[in-house]
Amino acid sequence: DTAVSQTPKYLVTQMGNDKSIKCEQNLGHDTMYWYKQDSKKFLKIMFSYNNKELIINETVPNRFSPKSPDKAHLNLHINSLELGDSAVYFCASSQEEVGQGYNEQFFGPGTRLTVL
Amino acid sequence: SQQGEEDPQALSIQEGENATMNCSYKTSINNLQWYRQNSGRGLVHLILIRSNEREKHSGRLRVTLDTSKKSSSLLITASRAADTASYFCATDALGNSGNTPLVFGKGTRLSVIA
Repeated sequence: DTAVSQTPKYLVTQMGNDKSIKCEQNLGHDTMYWYKQDSKKFLKIMFSYNNKELIINETVPNRFSPKSPDKAHLNLHINSLELGDSAVYFCASSQEEVGQGYNEQFFGPGTRLTVL
Repeated sequence: SQQGEEDPQALSIQEGENATMNCSYKTSINNLQWYRQNSGRGLVHLILIRSNEREKHSGRLRVTLDTSKKSSSLLITASRAADTASYFCATDALGNSGNTPLVFGKGTRLSVIA
């Protein structure tokens, strides 16, 4: 009955490989997000989707391609992995009302990506 | 940049003491949120305070907001070892219609010693 789940929890891979991280939420939320948390714990938004539509793309390299097959899922595919991609990636979801400001976001447990 | 800045970066206290963390931000906001992150886990929402509110309570947590100073504080009373975590504030720019992100600060690392 996990609200926001991500797989895998750990991902170790070589430079140049392509990998995917999956996210699912069972909260019925319309909006989903991907965040990147670096080694200094700084959390930065990468993408947000509302009802499968891309809303925010924060100057993320186009090696990162999010895909939302339905509003309960937001997957992240990363091509040609680089050392600097090593970080913890968090998926989150929320239910938003336009013009009311952000509501509480529910985070997944994170995926620790290590690029060797 | 709208990014919030938490202060202090790290705080170590004895169990039973109160812990106060501060957050400053740069632009006008719709609301401000506080989150907790235990080591190796995802963030957990604690409190949301809207720009027209000055204080909010939830259990042992008290959040204040001073929009004139663009600052907020999170007070944890009677701290417990289980409160050991990183605490983040997150701000939502005024007038945001969903196309600007919630911006997180760099966090305060709280250690509560039993």
